[in-house]
Amino acid sequence: DVQLVESGGGLVQPGGSLRLSCAASGFNFRGSYLHWVRQAPGKGLVWVSRIMRGGSDTNYADSVKGRFTISRDNAKNTVYLQMNSLRAEDTAVYYCVRDGGNYNFDYWGQGTLVTVSS
Amino acid sequence: QSALTQPASVSGSPGQSMTISCTGTSSDVGRYNYVSWYQQRPGKAPKLMIYDVSNRPSGVSNRFSGSKSGNTASLTISGLQAEDEAYYYCSSYTSRSTLWVFGGGTKLTVL
Repeated sequence: DVQLVESGGGLVQPGGSLRLSCAASGFNFRGSYLHWVRQAPGKGLVWVSRIMRGGSDTNYADSVKGRFTISRDNAKNTVYLQMNSLRAEDTAVYYCVRDGGNYNFDYWGQGTLVTVSS
Repeated sequence: QSALTQPASVSGSPGQSMTISCTGTSSDVGRYNYVSWYQQRPGKAPKLMIYDVSNRPSGVSNRFSGSKSGNTASLTISGLQAEDEAYYYCSSYTSRSTLWVFGGGTKLTVL
């Protein structure tokens, strides 16, 4: 079975940093694109970032460009999201998501909550 | 404000059909056949229900169907069941620098 397990969320002060991890199993990780999608409390889904197979090609939403960095370790079947200069509006559940191969999101992790507050 | 526009809520009785709309622009829904739909129950992760406008993943009931006309996509649920009660989100690939956009979500209530 496809499994995506996020970790690393928590409470951080504005301006601080946090690194999220997503451990994957049950599928060809090296051959897959991965995404991060977030959801603020009581709000809708927002796409954050994508990383392609090799890890050198990445894309970001305008709202996080220059502050967040996505990366992957294919040897560890893990994708990361380094979040710097965090703001209150970054408070959300962050989901690790597998790309379905056709510009869709076919498997989602359970999410990890990031709270940015003083 | 979300990039794609969905009704905030819809409701229907068991057995009825319900259609949820998702309106975008010529940069997203109108440009690509990469519209997908997700079901999210409270406290759970979203689940892919429809991809490429009208395709169902394996395991998704054939009561769910999708379509598109111009800049508007639609999700239709036939034979409503209590278990269909959830939030539904549409998404589209875009030609903008933010590559994917979602709708604000529609709460489906089965009366």
